[in-house]
Amino acid sequence: NAGVTQTPKFQVLKTGQSMTLQCAQDMNHEYMSWYRQDPGMGLRLIHYSVGAGITDQGEVPNGYNVSRSTTEDFPLRLLSAAPSQTSVYFCASSNRNSPLHFGNGTRLTVT
Amino acid sequence: GENVEQHPSTLSVQEGDSAVIKCTYSDSASNYFPWYKQELGKRPQLIIDIRSNVGEKKDQRIAVTLNKTAKHFSLHITETQPEDSAVYFCAATGNQFYFGTGTSLTVIP
Repeated sequence: NAGVTQTPKFQVLKTGQSMTLQCAQDMNHEYMSWYRQDPGMGLRLIHYSVGAGITDQGEVPNGYNVSRSTTEDFPLRLLSAAPSQTSVYFCASSNRNSPLHFGNGTRLTVT
Repeated sequence: GENVEQHPSTLSVQEGDSAVIKCTYSDSASNYFPWYKQELGKRPQLIIDIRSNVGEKKDQRIAVTLNKTAKHFSLHITETQPEDSAVYFCAATGNQFYFGTGTSLTVIP
C-alpha cells in the first residue's frame, strides 16, 4: 500500500493563479481531510469529507474548494492564490475513530 | 466546535529526564485522543493514542493518561533521548480531528 499520496511536493504560484493539490489514498478510508500548517499555529483543518459525494468546511475554508467524487481522491483547489496561502499543506485519511494517516505534504509559496 | 489547548509550546530537557506535555479539550463528545510526532520537514506520525473508555496507555517509554471528567490528557516520555527531539501534537476527535498547536521538544545530550 502506498498510503496517502500527495502531489506536487513543492509549488510556487504568483498571486491570482489557481492550482489543484492532488491527494489519493489506497486504504479505503471513509474520512479524508486537508490541513494547512503554519509556524506556531499547528494543523488547521481546511475541508474534510466523510465519504464520496460529501464534503464540509473546516476552520479555515476561505479561498479553497474540494470535491470527493471517489473514495480514493480528494483534491484541494486554490481558486485565486494569495500570499496568505503560503503554507505547508497536508492531506490525511482515516476510518472513524482511527488514527489519521498523513501524506508527505506540499510546500506552497505564493509570491 | 472542539477547542484543544496544548502546553507548553516549547520544552527542553536533559537526556534521560522525563518530558510531560498536557492538553485540554472542550467537547465532552470527543472520544479518541491521538498523539503525533513531527520531525523537521516530515509529516506527523502517530506515536500513541487513547480512547475515552481507557484512563492510561503505555508503549515502552511513552504513556498517555486521560481524565475525562477534567477534559485533559497528557503525554509522558521517560528516559528521553536526542531522537525524541521533535514537535508533538495532541488531538481530540469526535466527528473531526482537532489539533493542539504543538510542543517543540528538545532533548539536550
